[in-house]
Amino acid sequence: AQSVTQLGSHVSVSEGALVLLRCNYSSSVPPYLFWYVQYPNQGLQLLLKYTSAATLVKGINGFEAEFKKSETSFHLTKPSAHMSDAAEYFCAVLTGGGNKLTFGTGTQLKVEL
Amino acid sequence: DTGVSQDPRHKITKRGQNVTFRCDPISEHNRLYWYRQTLGQGPEFLTYFQNEAQLEKSRLLSDRFSAERPKGSFSTLEIQRTEQGDSAMYLCASSLGQVLNSPLHFGNGTRLTVT
Repeated sequence: AQSVTQLGSHVSVSEGALVLLRCNYSSSVPPYLFWYVQYPNQGLQLLLKYTSAATLVKGINGFEAEFKKSETSFHLTKPSAHMSDAAEYFCAVLTGGGNKLTFGTGTQLKVEL
Repeated sequence: DTGVSQDPRHKITKRGQNVTFRCDPISEHNRLYWYRQTLGQGPEFLTYFQNEAQLEKSRLLSDRFSAERPKGSFSTLEIQRTEQGDSAMYLCASSLGQVLNSPLHFGNGTRLTVT
């Protein structure tokens, strides 16, 4: 079964510092991978998705993720953190014949001054 | 695009009672999903509809859970004889088509507390 694992349930960075949120996948077939963000008291929003067209995927709000097959990873990065980036981030993989998403356990990002 | 709407936002109920949640998807979205999220976990798939047809149900969805989407518009999720383990955030999402080509739009969720 396809799944994703997010390392680090909480990550804290200083404003302006690099953001790195880790996601590793397990799949016997080429996966389709997603990152979602959940701001406080809001629904989940799609940040970006990997569909095998390009290994480096750019998303909204300056985030990007790189698919690395050799490392079975799809880490999310942002060069410079902003206070408004504080939220919970979920990695997900497309499963069930392409009809549903299976989410990781999430990483809470805290941005400090 | 008014977004996915869920009602109520919060529900507190006593063990053994029945509860019903409602989800209004984005109009013209033919797919509607229900997920459940507990503290420290990511959303877990419960079921999804394409139009009015319920196409898949998770093994997480016991016999006490039932979901409907009459006329392919809004959906309801009912939990009968609630248990404390049902306490969670229930999320609804909708999409225009398959997930790969059409992003899921999530509502803000209904938080259920069973006492």
